[in-house]
Amino acid sequence: DIVMNQSPDSLAVSLGERATINCKSSQSVLFSSNNKNYLGWYQQKPGQPPKLLIYWASTRESGVPDRFSGSGSGTDFTLTISSLQAEDVAVYYCKQHYSSPFTFGQGTRLEIK
Amino acid sequence: EVQLVQSGAEVKKPGESLKISCKASGYSFTTYWIGWVRQVPGKGLEWMGIIYPGDSDTKYSPSFQGQVTISADRSINTAYLQWSSLKASDTAIYYCARRGHLGGYSYGSDYWGQGTLVTVSS
Repeated sequence: DIVMNQSPDSLAVSLGERATINCKSSQSVLFSSNNKNYLGWYQQKPGQPPKLLIYWASTRESGVPDRFSGSGSGTDFTLTISSLQAEDVAVYYCKQHYSSPFTFGQGTRLEIK
Repeated sequence: EVQLVQSGAEVKKPGESLKISCKASGYSFTTYWIGWVRQVPGKGLEWMGIIYPGDSDTKYSPSFQGQVTISADRSINTAYLQWSSLKASDTAIYYCARRGHLGGYSYGSDYWGQGTLVTVSS
């Protein structure tokens, strides 16, 4: 199984400041057929299902604000929120869907400082 | 509009059986994988397994293989997750989610059900 490890486990950032969350996979999730990393970022707010923010490591899902961005390739990935807003308070998960069983990181709790 | 609507909350006793559902609408049910994700309250997300309703191809996480059964009924656009003998440790919220694809390539779980809370207690 591919193990996903996120860091940090929790993060407190001031409004308007940058937030950065890292995700490392135990093996590459780069799919050679389309040269895409099968890595997604999800946001989960209390009482809600997860929401897909970023897919293929760096493509924003439709409707996601452009302050959210993803980067990385192979085994190392980053989610960046360029200017934190109050509504971004949530738990963020990375997930690989390169090979079954698909696996999530343990989650990063993002709070306002 | 794509929607995944899950069945309501359940309260069961250990040893009982259960089948929860996820009804899909707004897209071609047989051409997208649907997966199930467990979330113990206050904890993280765990991928359980996935089914392709078009041919019922199913994949399970080793952690859940033999513990649950994933199925789908193409005639009513509904996916299922079932247990034959529940344990207290099965208490969790269960989400179904569609695996989206673009140009034939999967890109992630783009639509989610609202979740079904399953409580197992004597």
